[in-house]
Amino acid sequence: NAGVTQTPKFRVLKTGQSMTLLCAQDMNHEYMYWYRQDPGMGLRLIHYSVGEGTTAKGEVPDGYNVSRLKKQNFLLGLESAAPSQTSVYFCASSLMVSGNTIYFGEGSWLTVV
Amino acid sequence: QQPVQSPQAVILREGEDAVINCSSSKALYSVHWYRQKHGEAPVFLMILLKGGEQKGHDKISASFNEKKQQSSLYLTASQLSYSGTYFCGTERDPSGGGADGLTFGKGTHLIIQP
Repeated sequence: NAGVTQTPKFRVLKTGQSMTLLCAQDMNHEYMYWYRQDPGMGLRLIHYSVGEGTTAKGEVPDGYNVSRLKKQNFLLGLESAAPSQTSVYFCASSLMVSGNTIYFGEGSWLTVV
Repeated sequence: QQPVQSPQAVILREGEDAVINCSSSKALYSVHWYRQKHGEAPVFLMILLKGGEQKGHDKISASFNEKKQQSSLYLTASQLSYSGTYFCGTERDPSGGGADGLTFGKGTHLIIQP
């Protein structure tokens, strides 16, 4: 059981570079999420999707874009990386929102220098 | 708005009990509890739905007081494996304007010493 898979696991970027984080889930979940985790801040929602072709902003969306072209995939893009985007990024998915378990991927460690 | 967790950190001896609290200023539909070990993903523990639930498995249980919009996680006879950071995630009532995922507290660091 793969569950939620994120790639890459580790990446170092230079300021101004762009990159895409890929999240894939094999549980046929409708809802997918991208969170970032910084020391002492907990997990903060960047963007989420309630189904294929839909995206919505979360708590900290600035500097990120997302796409959900296929139900199983949710992509997080950084167009022009900044040091403030150094963080651990977690993708998650759930069958529906409202009272359903949210399953997390293993995380992607991103450093912007 | 982020739920407030307390305490921020707890140090226990193996076998002692702990209570972690989570409170929100918003009307909640559910409260989710997760444990995260350093360098790993959060691991789901349990969900409590509005209506005032109490759940538990093994020596970890939780309650949800809907009137106070508060949840508490209880760890009894703690084991070394319980060490980690505990997060509550709150889900607001969808009837209040839509569902938008979990909002997490800043976490409670739990250290269990032998």
